[in-house]
Amino acid sequence: GNSVTQMEGPVTLSEEAFLTINCTYTATGYPSLFWYVQYPGEGLQLLLKATKADDKGSNKGFEATYRKETTSFHLEKGSVQVSDSAVYFCALGYNQGGKLIFGQGTELSVKP
Amino acid sequence: SQTIHQWPATLVQPVGSPLSLECTVEGTSNPNLYWYRQAAGRGLQLLFYSVGIGQISSEVPQNLSASRPQDRQFILSSKKLLLSDSGFYLCAWSVGGGAKNIQYFGAGTRLSVL
Repeated sequence: GNSVTQMEGPVTLSEEAFLTINCTYTATGYPSLFWYVQYPGEGLQLLLKATKADDKGSNKGFEATYRKETTSFHLEKGSVQVSDSAVYFCALGYNQGGKLIFGQGTELSVKP
Repeated sequence: SQTIHQWPATLVQPVGSPLSLECTVEGTSNPNLYWYRQAAGRGLQLLFYSVGIGQISSEVPQNLSASRPQDRQFILSSKKLLLSDSGFYLCAWSVGGGAKNIQYFGAGTRLSVL
């Protein structure tokens, strides 16, 4: 079946550090891949997406590349800010009612 | 533009009491609608989804039910709450049934069952 696995958190970084959050998936067919972000006490917001192999999604300095050969969609940012502190979810979309399968989430804390 | 509303934002209920959480979407027609639960420190679990009025699919057996009385209204209910029903409940919508569709989330309802 389809599944998503994320690296466990919490991840604590200093401001301006490099960020990587690992995400791997198992899927049949041709899924789309997403990163969502959840700020404290709020719902989820789409951060970026990629709909086919080798696509790169990017937004607000974050990037992730859809790697079919390694079944991965790792999230990266070159220089994190305190305002990036949030929980990040990797998700897989497949052709059934627009449903998503989410990873367990990775909490990021950025210290000044 | 499209918006999604969930209420209430916070709810404290005693064990055994009923529950009704409401979600409405504005600015779009015939959306797919979803209810998720997020337990403390854990990921999102899809509870129900709906592709049209009166059409509800349940993803996991549980103490909850969902209804869609109108095109853009989605209600999560329970007749008798359990302690294990505590969590953060999120409603979401999307358009279309394909893998590329983005889901848009409400602000959530934090439910504490005591």
